[in-house]
Amino acid sequence: DSGVTQTPKHLITATGQRVTLRCSPRSGDLSVYWYQQSLDQGLQFLIQYYNGEERAKGNILERFSAQQFPDLHSELNLSSLELGDSALYFCASSATSERSYEQYFGPGTRLTVT
Amino acid sequence: GEDVEQSLFLSVREGDSSVINCTYTDSSSTYLYWYKQEPGAGLQLLTYIFSNMDMKQDQRLTVLLNKKDKHLSLRIADTQTGDSAIYFCAERGSNDYKLSFGAGTTVTVRA
Repeated sequence: DSGVTQTPKHLITATGQRVTLRCSPRSGDLSVYWYQQSLDQGLQFLIQYYNGEERAKGNILERFSAQQFPDLHSELNLSSLELGDSALYFCASSATSERSYEQYFGPGTRLTVT
Repeated sequence: GEDVEQSLFLSVREGDSSVINCTYTDSSSTYLYWYKQEPGAGLQLLTYIFSNMDMKQDQRLTVLLNKKDKHLSLRIADTQTGDSAIYFCAERGSNDYKLSFGAGTTVTVRA
């Protein structure tokens, strides 16, 4: 158990809908990262937050957005869903300072868009 | 951009050593990682190596880094059935904290 939690574990929804994925980082970790794992694209970095502020952006679609709250949990919002958004979405967290190079992943949320 | 490549499949007999190879293109990579993903599970951080090191050993795992050739390998000694999984190589650049992953190597351990 990495200490990173994600809910829900599975999500099935229809095209055009909007969903919110939730992540709680390990206790004390200030950085949260979101990754998407799909069969055709592999594991892709989406976005990073550090202590509530956006720090880095990757291949994140404009239909997707994220935020990190004062209690450090993060949410990834996916809207106008398309079939191609079906994937496993991972959240990872890391601490600050010396151990920031260790990223610990949650169990993921499997999103199926029908 | 970053590009990390791995062979897709490896079959190994139980008790033998497994060697998984990875190449990367970003010469500014600072840390290189190996993650393990079992079916239906998340990614487990196995080990990592800083770019100024050549080798790191952690119990049954040995990581070798050839920075000149941008080649990383993971050796698993005495491979067990529980080692069957997908192994991902990843690298982190010097200017950010995001990880760039390879496609993953599926390791199958046969009796």
